[in-house]
Amino acid sequence: NAGVTQTPKFRILKIGQSMTLQCTQDMNHNYMYWYRQDPGMGLKLIYYSVGAGITDKGEVPNGYNVSRSTTEDFPLRLELAAPSQTSVYFCASTLLAGGPVNEQFFGPGTRLTVL
Amino acid sequence: GQQLNQSPQSMFIQEGEDVSMNCTSSSIFNTWLWYKQEPGEGPVLLIALYKAGELTSNGRLTAQFGITRKDSFLNISASIPSDVGIYFCAGQTSGAGSYQLTFGKGTKLSVIP
Repeated sequence: NAGVTQTPKFRILKIGQSMTLQCTQDMNHNYMYWYRQDPGMGLKLIYYSVGAGITDKGEVPNGYNVSRSTTEDFPLRLELAAPSQTSVYFCASTLLAGGPVNEQFFGPGTRLTVL
Repeated sequence: GQQLNQSPQSMFIQEGEDVSMNCTSSSIFNTWLWYKQEPGEGPVLLIALYKAGELTSNGRLTAQFGITRKDSFLNISASIPSDVGIYFCAGQTSGAGSYQLTFGKGTKLSVIP
């Protein structure tokens, strides 16, 4: 298993540009998450999904959109990039199988800079 | 939203020393997790705690779930250079939102050989 993969690893955007951060997991996990991590801060939840076709907002959703058309993929869309969206973005997934939802597996991250 | 206070923010220690860090919250959590993040990587789970008062070990790491459910501690014994990284605590509540974790800001650990 590759686990959770993210592309691209790095990206520089100009203000107002749009892009999609890709996330794929091959563990058949039903729950997927997008976080952002700013320097010296913990991870803030942007959006999450409890299964294909179901998404919901996290703590900091403004400026982002997500979709979940398959179990494996959970792309994050930035429509009008702003400098405040400069951050490292992590995708994570977990399996809810009758037990506590806890161990989230993280991808390696996408480092985004908006200039 | 819920807040986790993690301390210390950073630590510089000599190789071989023991390390302690903690996490406190004004809210009750039903699960406490400790993650480690190395440069350029995503966080990796070290220890998960599910019961108040629980003490769990993973090699040189030991973590405890506070009896009040509002705190947790992580200890690393006999530190080695590869322990370098940022350690995050995370708490999870039950009920609505139980699929979400709240993260602390991290403790950055540096080990001097």
